[in-house]
Amino acid sequence: QSALTQPASVSGSPGQSITISCTGTSSDVGGYNYVSWYQQHPGKAPKLMIYDVSNRPSGVSNRFSGSKSGNTASLTISGLQAEDEADYYCSSYTSSSSYVFGTGTKVTVL
Amino acid sequence: QVTLRESGPALVKPTQTLTLTCTFSGFSLSTSGMCVSWIRQPPGKALEWLARIDWDDDKYYSTSLKTRLTISKDTSKNQVVLTMTNMDPVDTATYYCARTMVRGVIMVSIDYWGQGTLVTVSS
Repeated sequence: QSALTQPASVSGSPGQSITISCTGTSSDVGGYNYVSWYQQHPGKAPKLMIYDVSNRPSGVSNRFSGSKSGNTASLTISGLQAEDEADYYCSSYTSSSSYVFGTGTKVTVL
Repeated sequence: QVTLRESGPALVKPTQTLTLTCTFSGFSLSTSGMCVSWIRQPPGKALEWLARIDWDDDKYYSTSLKTRLTISKDTSKNQVVLTMTNMDPVDTATYYCARTMVRGVIMVSIDYWGQGTLVTVSS
């Protein structure tokens, strides 16, 4: 199972909006509405930010939103803040009954 | 609240078998719908899902590592154990255990993570 493809880095200024893409295949992202997004600060465990493509767990800021079109999912962070600087990973269930993560995207707040 | 903690050796030699234990609280693996996964992350690299065990003892493995992995649970101790055979330096990584959400048999997301444990493979 190949990792989902994400851009290596995305940057933006405080207050701006950025979007991170996550491209898979019809066997994972395109085949199921079970895309999740995780935020990981250096030296810390990942934190669930989005599940089921566009749902936010309790306590996650509404500045984070998710969507999907075909084989590509996206995470948008609006009103970018310094605390949003972190690595972000997408993930999806796969047709082989496994789970695949993305290659990861480093978000930099300029 | 839900907590998970990984334990095991920090250093293993090539060809040895790694055994990691996840001790958790705040939920029970005897409850329908509860699952635990293992995920690893080599230094500076991406996350990789390894295995999952469900409340009903169903087990799922990464396709690429299936032959080397075994996952098991001790419900009475609130523990999940992962063994990985024939360790190699490329297996050096932080290993996480995490509570996993499912819909039926489909893995949906991971909502609680342990702090992770770094395992180095070196002679």
